[in-house]
Amino acid sequence: DGGITQSPKYLFRKEGQNVTLSCEQNLNHDAMYWYRQDPGQGLRLIYYSQIVNDFQKGDIAEGYSVSREKKESFPLTVTSAQKNPTAFYLCASSLLQGYSNQPQHFGDGTRLSIL
Amino acid sequence: AQRVTQPEKLLSVFKGAPVELKCNYSYSGSPELFWYVQYSRQRLQLLLRHISRESIKGFTADLNKGETSFHLKKPFAQEEDSAMYYCAPSTGGGNKLTFGTGTQLKVEL
Repeated sequence: DGGITQSPKYLFRKEGQNVTLSCEQNLNHDAMYWYRQDPGQGLRLIYYSQIVNDFQKGDIAEGYSVSREKKESFPLTVTSAQKNPTAFYLCASSLLQGYSNQPQHFGDGTRLSIL
Repeated sequence: AQRVTQPEKLLSVFKGAPVELKCNYSYSGSPELFWYVQYSRQRLQLLLRHISRESIKGFTADLNKGETSFHLKKPFAQEEDSAMYYCAPSTGGGNKLTFGTGTQLKVEL
């Protein structure tokens, strides 16, 4: 099942280390999103991007950084400033069409753990 | 701040029984609401959106602006409905979604 590809599936981080999670989409979607999922807390928005070379903070952006150099790619870096990075990370994408909100399409996720 | 509440973490019903997954939201504006579902070992995916006013896999959801609710209903639960369900209002520009904490639906035989 293509569309959105997240890699790796599992990732381990040492203390003080930055790690980058990959998200690629071949749906020609305008917007891309990163969510963090913790048990019992649903999904929380970290960053989103509506267009290449532009992105906005979500609800929990501290300790994370992103880039959007290409339409199909939206990597997320978990920096050492993120004190509680252990979580499941989901990437999503969607079209942007006028005033109607379009459904988001999700990847399989990356599970990040601290060594 | 926008909030969405799904009061039940787990809902267990018998096959053939009616199902109602509750969702309440607080949002100053005219939200667009979605239900997303995650079946076991599958990706999170859209189930339905309120503006479509359609039934998907037998599920319907009506937006009640007076009660600020968007409950998901199905008259007769099937075993394959067992999954995690998330209510998600769209919160303004950029097509952003605010997800509830989810309800795990378990349909027992």
